[in-house]
Amino acid sequence: LAKTTQPISMDSYEGQEVNITCSHNNIATNDYITWYQQFPSQGPRFIIQGYKTKVTNEVASLFIPADRKSSTLSLPRVSLSDTAVYYCLVGSYGQNFVFGPGTRLSVLP
Amino acid sequence: GAVVSQHPSWVICKSGTSVKIECRSLDFQATTMFWYRQFPKQSLMLMATSNEGSKATYEQGVEKDKFLINHASLTLSTLTVTSAHPEDSSFYICSAIGVNTEAFFGQGTRLTVV
Repeated sequence: LAKTTQPISMDSYEGQEVNITCSHNNIATNDYITWYQQFPSQGPRFIIQGYKTKVTNEVASLFIPADRKSSTLSLPRVSLSDTAVYYCLVGSYGQNFVFGPGTRLSVLP
Repeated sequence: GAVVSQHPSWVICKSGTSVKIECRSLDFQATTMFWYRQFPKQSLMLMATSNEGSKATYEQGVEKDKFLINHASLTLSTLTVTSAHPEDSSFYICSAIGVNTEAFFGQGTRLTVV
């Protein structure tokens, strides 16, 4: 299973764009990159998933360079309610995820 | 997205009793379900992987006789914490994967053993 490394914590202000980068140097050919958001006392919630290049949905964008050894989750115009822990996970379908410590994002007013 | 429902959301039990937690995939068939536990301010730790109709595979250090997992159908898996002790108090989370889908997580169950 590919190991991921991401910043332990980040601070931002309301209305700013937040970019969280994740390193996954030993990503395998069949692996996808998936980001989850977790609020206290709740299960992780799916944000976005990608394999290469750029993926965008209604809440976030995911940028993946050609070598796929890293990825960047971009949250446009964050609000206080985006304060949460964000996990970058790498794996193929059917595989269990190994959770790292995630990135604790604090959005300040 | 798909929905995975856990029940109960929270439970308090006496030391020495057993507690069952249910995990249901409401709108898809889950070929595999995973059980995690999470302590405060820590990340999720995988406890076991279960496939429908077969025995669960436990991670190293997880007692299979204490944490009984049953995956009797493609939409239901249960985790039973037997003879619970205060150190078993934690947040338990299940996730489910269908055919070529990402993992969907339940809302978690807060277990407090007193």
